[in-house]
Amino acid sequence: QKEVEQDPGPLSVPEGAIVSLNCTYSNSAFQYFMWYRQYSRKGPELLMYTYSSGNKEDGRFTAQVDKSSKYISLFIRDSQPSDSATYLCALTPSNTGKLIFGQGTTLQVKP
Amino acid sequence: GAGVSQSPSNKVTEKGKDVELRCDPISGHTALYWYRQSLGQGLEFLIYFQGNSAPDKSGLPSDRFSAERTGGSVSTLTIQRTQQEDSAVYLCASSQRSYGYTFGSGTRLTVV
Repeated sequence: QKEVEQDPGPLSVPEGAIVSLNCTYSNSAFQYFMWYRQYSRKGPELLMYTYSSGNKEDGRFTAQVDKSSKYISLFIRDSQPSDSATYLCALTPSNTGKLIFGQGTTLQVKP
Repeated sequence: GAGVSQSPSNKVTEKGKDVELRCDPISGHTALYWYRQSLGQGLEFLIYFQGNSAPDKSGLPSDRFSAERTGGSVSTLTIQRTQQEDSAVYLCASSQRSYGYTFGSGTRLTVV
């Protein structure tokens, strides 16, 4: 079993839809949770960072962590064609050292 | 520079040859990471540097892979006797804290 599971998709939605992206994990030691966005032929860029359980909102993006269920989510409101990319969750037990990444979910937002 | 710079951006090499991939991190970032991304796969951790030392090299796939970092700055990932399964995008990132990773655009390695 992988440490982090993420449905690779692809996920296709119409412009303006609410998108829900999810990861599950098995290691209860994970304390820091991140979402990265990766456009084609580019490196991943940090979108959201959360520590421990709860919600964090930044514009159209909301990150949610449920440590009791070992489940993290990223919600995108009013999705735009420019949101079309691969979204990767990343987790780590501490604020130093390596991140463990999910496989990534490919999202396409159609105009 | 303003971001993490990797060179070359693309590399095609013959099976059995050695390759060197270079990473210039953001100035002042003490931590540097190498990851590998194969087609349709997530990011696979290779090695982590803190300054010039590598406290975690657990992800290097075999002894054909090695990396070094000098002056707390530039890092080189070397793959000896390349194999076709080494074909992937090699990504470098630097940070002051793990949640502050900044990635380069990667080196796309193709072994033919």
